[in-house]
Amino acid sequence: TVMTQSPATLSVSPGERATLSCRASQTVSSNLAWYQQKPGQPPRLLIYGASTRATGIAARFSGSGSGTEFTLTISSLQSEDFALYYCQQYNNWPLTFGGGTKVEIK
Amino acid sequence: QVQLVQSGAEVKKPGSSVKVSCKASGGTFSRNTISWVRQAPGQGFEWVGGVIPVSGSANFAQHFQGRVTLTADESASTAYLELSGLRSEDTAVYFCARRVISTSGLVLDAFDIWGQGTMVTVSS
Repeated sequence: TVMTQSPATLSVSPGERATLSCRASQTVSSNLAWYQQKPGQPPRLLIYGASTRATGIAARFSGSGSGTEFTLTISSLQSEDFALYYCQQYNNWPLTFGGGTKVEIK
Repeated sequence: QVQLVQSGAEVKKPGSSVKVSCKASGGTFSRNTISWVRQAPGQGFEWVGGVIPVSGSANFAQHFQGRVTLTADESASTAYLELSGLRSEDTAVYFCARRVISTSGLVLDAFDIWGQGTMVTVSS
C-alpha cells in the first residue's frame, strides 16, 4: 500500500493552523497513524486509529479520515511543532509509511 | 514508563551480518510487541519486520525474507534483529519500536515507544 503525503513542505506562521494530508493507494480502513520526527530523534506517535491521540499528545493535534484519505490538523502551531510528520498504515502487509511533510516556519 | 535502549553503532563489510539489540526497561516486556523499522540517511521509514502476537511467528517485508532473524530473550527483556548478507543499501538507522496496545487490549501495528536507533553502516 503506497502512502502519499502532501504537501512535501508546509510553511506556516506560529499560531496558525496546519493541515497535512495522507492518501493511501488502497483502503486502510482507520488503521492509520501519524508521527512527528525531529532531527536526530526517533519518531513520536501522535495519532493512531486515524483519530485517537496517543498518550500525552496535546489537544491541538487532531486526526481525521478513513479509507484512503486522511488529515492531520495542528490547530495553532507552537514553536516545538516545526518538524517532519509521517503517516503510516497498518491495515495491510507490509506496513508502509508516507514520504513525510516538513512543517517549517514561514 | 517503558524505555527501549538499543546497542551502539556498527560498521560492517558487504556480505557480513549485524545483530542489533533492544533492551526494555521500566515495564513489562513481550517479544510479541516489538517491531523493527529502518530509516536510510535523509530518507523515510521502511518496516523491517515484527512478531505476530497470535501465532508468535515473525512477519517480514518481502525483500528481507531469508536475511532477517528476529529473536528475544524475555528473561533479559531484550529483542534482537539480525540482518545477514549486508549490502550498501542496508546502511540506515535501525529502530526497535513497541506496538500500541489499545484500551481494549488489542495489539496494533502503530508504535508508541521507540528505541534511540542504531546506525548500521555497510561499507567496504
